[in-house]
Formats: sequence, C-alpha cells, structure tokens
Amino acid sequence: EVQMLESGGDLVQPGGSLRLSCAASGFTFSNYAMSWVRQAPGKGLEWVSAIIGNGASTYYTDSVKGRFTISRDNSKNTLYLQMSNLRADDTAVYFCAKGKHFWGQGTLVTVSS
Amino acid sequence: DIQMTQSPSSLSASVGDRVTITCQASQDISIYINWYQQKPGKAPKLLIYDASNLEAGVPSRFSGGGSGTDFTFTISSLQPEDVARYFCQQSDNLPFTFGQGTKLEI
Repeated sequence: EVQMLESGGDLVQPGGSLRLSCAASGFTFSNYAMSWVRQAPGKGLEWVSAIIGNGASTYYTDSVKGRFTISRDNSKNTLYLQMSNLRADDTAVYFCAKGKHFWGQGTLVTVSS
Repeated sequence: DIQMTQSPSSLSASVGDRVTITCQASQDISIYINWYQQKPGKAPKLLIYDASNLEAGVPSRFSGGGSGTDFTFTISSLQPEDVARYFCQQSDNLPFTFGQGTKLEI
C-alpha cells in the first residue's frame, strides 16, 4: 500500500527557515518523480515543486524560486522541502504527492510573528 | 504558466441531480487534465485523470471529457457523500496549475 507521511510543519517567524519531510513507503521510491503542493487556509491548491526520480532535475513555481529547495534521499525513501526566507503568504498545508494518484495528508506551515 | 478557469465557483444541487463543472485552459493541453475531490481537512483525492479515465475504485457516476482547452466533469446522479470541493489540474506543462475549485453543496 502506497503511503506518504509529511512532517516538519511548524509556526515560524517571517524570514525564518523550515525543512519539511515526506516519508514514503509501498513503492520503489527512486523510480518516481515526487511533488509538493500547498493549500493556504480556505484557498485553492498550488503546485510548488517537483523532482525526478534520481534527483537530477528539479522544478519550482515562480513564487518560491530561490527560497525553496526540493531534494530527496532515495536510500531513506524520503522527500524534502527546504524553505527559507519564509513569508506570510507561504502559510499553508503542504502535501507531498507521488504523481497524480497518491497524496500525503499534509503538514501545516504557519508563518507569523 | 497555463491558466485554468474553473466554473462555477460554487454549486448547490439536489440528490439525484446531474452536475457538471467545467474547466478551460489558457492553451491547448491535449487530454492532460485531472479532476480531484477534496473534503474538509483531507488531502485531494484523484477521481479522473487524462480527461476521461476513471481512477480505480471511484464510482462510475463520476466522468470527465473534453480535449484541447475545454473540459467537463460530471456527476451523473449526485449523492450526499459527494459534498466536497472539486478541482481541475492540468498536467501538460510545468507548473501543473489548478483551477480555483468548485464548492458543491446539497
């Protein structure tokens, strides 16, 4: 059974940093591209970033370029999102996703002073 | 970036009604559109992928169609458990943008 479990969400001050993790199981992790998608409270979904299976290529939405870094450790079946210079509009539930079919339950990031 | 214009933003219907939601892409995305259902506090759940393919385990009252720039998502006979928010997403070009969502009520 495919499972993804996000962690690392927290309350952080504007300008701060945070690293999210997504522990995956039930499939051959290294074979699949993985993504992060976020949802601000009461708002719609926003695709944030993606990384291919071997980690060689990464992609970002414009609003996070230069501030967020996606990475993966295929030996640990874990996806990461390093977030820096956080802003209030980064406040959201962050979901990790395997393709379009499988999503984690999300972890809440709140950026506030 | 490809813009996905979803309508309506909210919809109220009765049990047994046929319900249709539309998404229009700002450029040709072939068949690369997905439809998700999201209930409060939960992750989105894939219902339809590549415009018309029903995800495994999803009831057959859900269907999708279209190609190019204009797409539809239909519930043939609305059930009480279908109360949720529905989103379209294009998966043709990065970033994989979403529509703004449709809140469906009974």
